[in-house]
Formats: sequence, C-alpha cells, structure tokens
Amino acid sequence: AQSVTQPDIHITVSEGASLELRCNYSYGATPYLFWYVQSPGQGLQLLLKYFSGDTLVQGIKGFEAEFKRSQSSFNLRKPSVHWSDAAEYFCAVGNSNFGNEKLTFGTGTRLTIIP
Amino acid sequence: GAGVSQSPSNKVTEKGKDVELRCDPISGHTALYWYRQSLGQGLEFLIYFQGNSAPDKSGLPSDRFSAERTGGSVSTLTIQRTQQEDSAVYLCASSFSRGNNQPQHFGDGTRLSIL
Repeated sequence: AQSVTQPDIHITVSEGASLELRCNYSYGATPYLFWYVQSPGQGLQLLLKYFSGDTLVQGIKGFEAEFKRSQSSFNLRKPSVHWSDAAEYFCAVGNSNFGNEKLTFGTGTRLTIIP
Repeated sequence: GAGVSQSPSNKVTEKGKDVELRCDPISGHTALYWYRQSLGQGLEFLIYFQGNSAPDKSGLPSDRFSAERTGGSVSTLTIQRTQQEDSAVYLCASSFSRGNNQPQHFGDGTRLSIL
C-alpha cells in the first residue's frame, strides 16, 4: 500500500528565508507525486507534480521539488518565502496504474511566517 | 472557467439526521473524487467516480455513507443517521480523465458539524 510521511507538523520561518518541507513516500513502483497547498477555509491548490523525467520540477508561486528515488523523498523548496506563503502544505502520492485512482496524502505541514 | 463547486459550504445538523453534500465538477472532467479531512485522520479518500460509475468505493467508512453521480457531472454524497465522528470537511475533486497523471482540482469543501 502507498503511504506518505511528512515528518514536520509545524515549521516557522522568517520572511525572506529559504524553506524546505520534507516528504517521504512508500510505493512499489515509480510514483506520481504532488504537493498541494491549503489556505484556511479553502480547498487544496496544486503547487507542482512529478510523473517522470527531470527529477527537479518547478511549480507555481516560486516553489520547486526534487524527486530522489534513492531516498524515497520529494521535498518542497522555496528560496525566499513571502508572508502569503503561510498555509498548510500536503504531499501526496498517486498510483501509476489505472484502476487505483486515488491520492494518499501526508498529514500536512503547517507553515508560519514571521516578520 | 469555473472551478469545482461544493454546496453547502457549511452544514450543521443534529446527530441522527441525514445530510446530502453536493459537488459540481469542472465542466468536461470525467473523473470525480470525494475525500474527508478531519483533525484526527488527515485527508482520507472516500470514493472515486469515472463517469457515472464508481470503480472504487473502498474509502467509504460505513454503509451509512453513499454517493452517486448522474449525467457524468454533479455528484451527491449522502450520510445517513449522522454521528458526531462524521464531523469533518468533505472535499470534492475532479480531473480531466482517469489516471493519477491527471491532476485533481479541489473545491473549497463542505464543513459538516454534527451536534
């Protein structure tokens, strides 16, 4: 069964500092990997996705993530955070086989930005 | 174009009552998903529709939960004889077609509170 671990429940960073949110997955084959962001009272917005190919993927809002098969990781990074980045971030893994169309989410990392 | 629309945005009901939650997917999207987001359980998959059929109902927590989709568009999630543990945010997502390489687009959810 597929699973996702986000080891950091809450992270606080200063505005302008760099950010890395960790995500580890468990899946037998090549996974489909996603990062979503959720602001309070809102649904999830897709930041970026990895299916195959280049292991460094670029997303919206200046975010990027790197797929590392050897470490089963898909960490999210941003070189300089803005106050508007404060939100909850979810990593998710999807099965690459048809017939199992669902995402398995991590428990989320809440990001707080301080001035 | 419009995104995924869910109604109502908030629902408060008494224990034992039935509730219906509605999801209107993005026009042209054939795949539709329901997830539940609760404090103790995070984001959990409930059910997936491809067109009007539901190939995967594996996430429905009990037989009190059911869902249908008509005309390949709008979906309704019904919870019968609600219990307090049903309190959660119910999120709907749609994607262009089946397969996890089709990103899922989420609505803002229905916040359900059982008194």
